Amino acid sequence: EAQVTQNPRYLITVTGKKLTVTCSQNMNHEYMSWYRQDPGLGLRQIYYSMNVEVTDKGDVPEGYKVSRKEKRNFPLILESPSPNQTSLYFCASSLYAQGIGYTFGSGTRLTVV
Amino acid sequence: DQQVKQNSPSLSVQEGRISILNCDYTNSMFDYFLWYKKYPAEGPTFLISISSIKDKNEDGRFTVFLNKSAKHLSLHIVPSQPGDSAVYFCAASMYSGGGADGLTFGKGTHLIIQP
Repeated sequence: EAQVTQNPRYLITVTGKKLTVTCSQNMNHEYMSWYRQDPGLGLRQIYYSMNVEVTDKGDVPEGYKVSRKEKRNFPLILESPSPNQTSLYFCASSLYAQGIGYTFGSGTRLTVV
Repeated sequence: DQQVKQNSPSLSVQEGRISILNCDYTNSMFDYFLWYKKYPAEGPTFLISISSIKDKNEDGRFTVFLNKSAKHLSLHIVPSQPGDSAVYFCAASMYSGGGADGLTFGKGTHLIIQP
């Protein structure tokens, strides 16, 4: 089954404790992206990647890092999480560089206390 | 500066009637528009899209209309069904010379279908 898999689905952590949210896709998509969803703000892009070793900032990259060492994986790293990073996170992948027709993961609900 | 705007946070429609969700955009460089549907505890799923060279695209009960001069698009669902109750996101994309700016999303409209 073609899918984007994120882990974990739920995470509660403390301020400053490094964490990684994993994202993996099995569709051989070149383009991958991370979004966060917040009430009243919709979906905002954090980082995206056009291909292996090619990443770039989205609209809200502060406090986040990403890496793209393999085509299928695109982890999101929070080096020192803060409470304002409490959010619902979605990973997405697409065949086209234009980001058309994303397939989204099921989301990761992160709470930073 | 919000480039894709969905001005109605919520919309309530009776089952069987038409649902019309609206979306406005400000960036004239956008050339592809999409609607995504999202249920609670799930990721958004692609619903329907339209290229800027068209003014209408239809898929079953769903039709998207694009008015480029007004920078406005709308999603029509007819007839509306209980399973259509969800949050609908409008999104726009542009081709930037090989770049991949991805999708710019609106804030979403929560559609509630009343029995």
